[in-house]
Amino acid sequence: GQNIDQPTEMTATEGAIVQINCTYQTSGFNGLFWYQQHAGEAPTFLSYNVLDGLEEKGRFSSFLSRSKGYSYLLLKELQMKDSASYLCAVGQAGTALIFGKGTTLSVSS
Amino acid sequence: GAGVSQSPRYKVAKRGQDVALRCDPISGHVSLFWYQQALGQGPEFLTYFQNEAQLDKSGLPSDRFFAERPEGSVSTLKIQRTQQEDSAVYLCASSFSSGSYNEQFFGPGTRLTVL
Repeated sequence: GQNIDQPTEMTATEGAIVQINCTYQTSGFNGLFWYQQHAGEAPTFLSYNVLDGLEEKGRFSSFLSRSKGYSYLLLKELQMKDSASYLCAVGQAGTALIFGKGTTLSVSS
Repeated sequence: GAGVSQSPRYKVAKRGQDVALRCDPISGHVSLFWYQQALGQGPEFLTYFQNEAQLDKSGLPSDRFFAERPEGSVSTLKIQRTQQEDSAVYLCASSFSSGSYNEQFFGPGTRLTVL
């Protein structure tokens, strides 16, 4: 079967660093995606990993270990606007993304 | 427009009514996907088009759900005889190709409420 696990909720304060973990067991693998979704809005693309290692993009970084079926999204210098749901998704060749249930991050001042 | 658009943004239907949800993908995008997102959950795949061909409809929950993309651009998701369990946000996404790096661009969704 297809299974993607991530924590339901996380809280953090402005300026802090937070790591959102994702583990997956899927029948196919064509990359690991992270999307951000603010309430009532469309998911927006944050990062893509297909090889093991760390990808850094500004305040956001994403890590992948294919052998462990594990990824994390690292958010640095948190801002209030980072309060959102963060979706981990596994790409399937030529077809759809399989999403986890999302992690709701609340950033407080 | 620059992004994926969907209409209507909100739809209230009485149980048993038929509804049609529209998606305008980014111009030139070959692939188009429909997802269903229940409250507090991640999006779940419904169906996938490459141009006008529906290549995968394995996620459609029942034969009451039907999708089409007759000219390879605009797509319509139709739900017949709506049930309360159909209440969800329906997201459309498009991507330039079906290649290995298939970043999908999502529309704002249609929130369907079935009374």
